[in-house]
Amino acid sequence: EAGVVQSPRYKIIEKKQPVAFWCNPISGHNTLYWYLQNLGQGPELLIRYENEEAVDDSQLPKDRFSAERLKGVDSTLKIQPAELGDSAVYLCASSLTPRSPLHFGNGTRLTVT
Amino acid sequence: QQPVQSPQAVILREGEDAVINCSSSKALYSVHWYRQKHGEAPVFLMILLKGGEQKGHDKISASFNEKKQQSSLYLTASQLSYSGTYFCGTETAKDSNYQLIWGAGTKLIIKP
Repeated sequence: EAGVVQSPRYKIIEKKQPVAFWCNPISGHNTLYWYLQNLGQGPELLIRYENEEAVDDSQLPKDRFSAERLKGVDSTLKIQPAELGDSAVYLCASSLTPRSPLHFGNGTRLTVT
Repeated sequence: QQPVQSPQAVILREGEDAVINCSSSKALYSVHWYRQKHGEAPVFLMILLKGGEQKGHDKISASFNEKKQQSSLYLTASQLSYSGTYFCGTETAKDSNYQLIWGAGTKLIIKP
């Protein structure tokens, strides 16, 4: 099966600019996650979807971050405006159900200058 | 709430054994283990769903001690391919409050 696909792989932007990340989960996976991972740290959940519903967005900084999962398949994560502290790897993952193994994409490495 | 992984890092010679621990201050309902190689995505190793459960695949196994609120990952006769950072993800609430909280990782370096 095809894995979780994320794009772009790398992104360099200046602070205050907007940026968007895209994720295509494994076909049939209803649960989709966006994580932020800083160097040397574990993933930190930003948002979790069950189909098209955001069921946990408690850790999403809603003043600048937004996400959507139209039709319960692909998802986009947006930051506007970006800040220096947003530099990190943004990982997308999907799973069949909430308690199933997670399948991660290769991530987008964001650098904000 | 973040589980504590120990050790933070370990260096082994090929063929040696390693144990990585994951401890929580809260009751655990399940534990996930993943391995991440540098610049790559985390890859699923195993899930332990109940206390006392033990699982294994090849020479990697894990146990889940519900009473001690901890899980341990055992790597036996380590191979070069085992190098990477190991993360545990812990579920500390059930049903609608489901969340997977990740440890900071244990970096494993295997030398030939």
